[in-house]
Amino acid sequence: NAGVTQTPKFQVLKTGQSMTLQCAQDMNHEYMSWYRQDPGMGLRLIHYSVGAGITDQGEVPNGYNVSRSTTEDFPLRLLSAAPSQTSVYFCASSYKQAGRLSGNTIYFGEGSWLTVV
Amino acid sequence: AQSVTQLDSHVSVSEGTPVLLRCNYSSSYSPSLFWYVQHPNKGLQLLLKYTSAATLVKGINGFEAEFKKSETSFHLTKPSAHMSDAAEYFCVVTTDNTDKLIFGTGTRLQVFP
Repeated sequence: NAGVTQTPKFQVLKTGQSMTLQCAQDMNHEYMSWYRQDPGMGLRLIHYSVGAGITDQGEVPNGYNVSRSTTEDFPLRLLSAAPSQTSVYFCASSYKQAGRLSGNTIYFGEGSWLTVV
Repeated sequence: AQSVTQLDSHVSVSEGTPVLLRCNYSSSYSPSLFWYVQHPNKGLQLLLKYTSAATLVKGINGFEAEFKKSETSFHLTKPSAHMSDAAEYFCVVTTDNTDKLIFGTGTRLQVFP
């Protein structure tokens, strides 16, 4: 019963390096999203997807890319890491019943702790 | 536009005393509201949700919340705190006209023996 799986759990990057945070879910959810969590700011939406081949920007998309080639996977790419991207990243997924996200439970991964030095 | 305000960044209670975590929301549409809990270095777990059915919602671990439209509030309560309740709690809102969840900034609950 895997749910939402994020890798890696911890990562240290140097400024300018690139990396990909992986997210996979085994619940056949249409909706997937990435958030970053910073002290005192709650969780802020980076990018989201409502199905394979469809992605859209959230509140803080700059510096991040995503793609959704399959229903199961939703990787988050940092093309050129900056210290401001030091954060905890959460992937989440949910059903969209009849096209509606509202009211459906969102399932979260365990988080990825990223430090950019 | 939607927004969520968690009125307390920190709440401290003694074990066995009541817990009240306050959340106010703003939404132009009928909202769905959630409370999530995050234990240290863990992901987020759903405590309970309101989706336009009963206004008093019961969740896991003895928590409940009441949706009050007139006050635009969705406060989380528990009659008797347990040490294991120490965690960060997030109030979240979404509506049918958006695919976005809006999170509050979180309330850290401390429970003292």
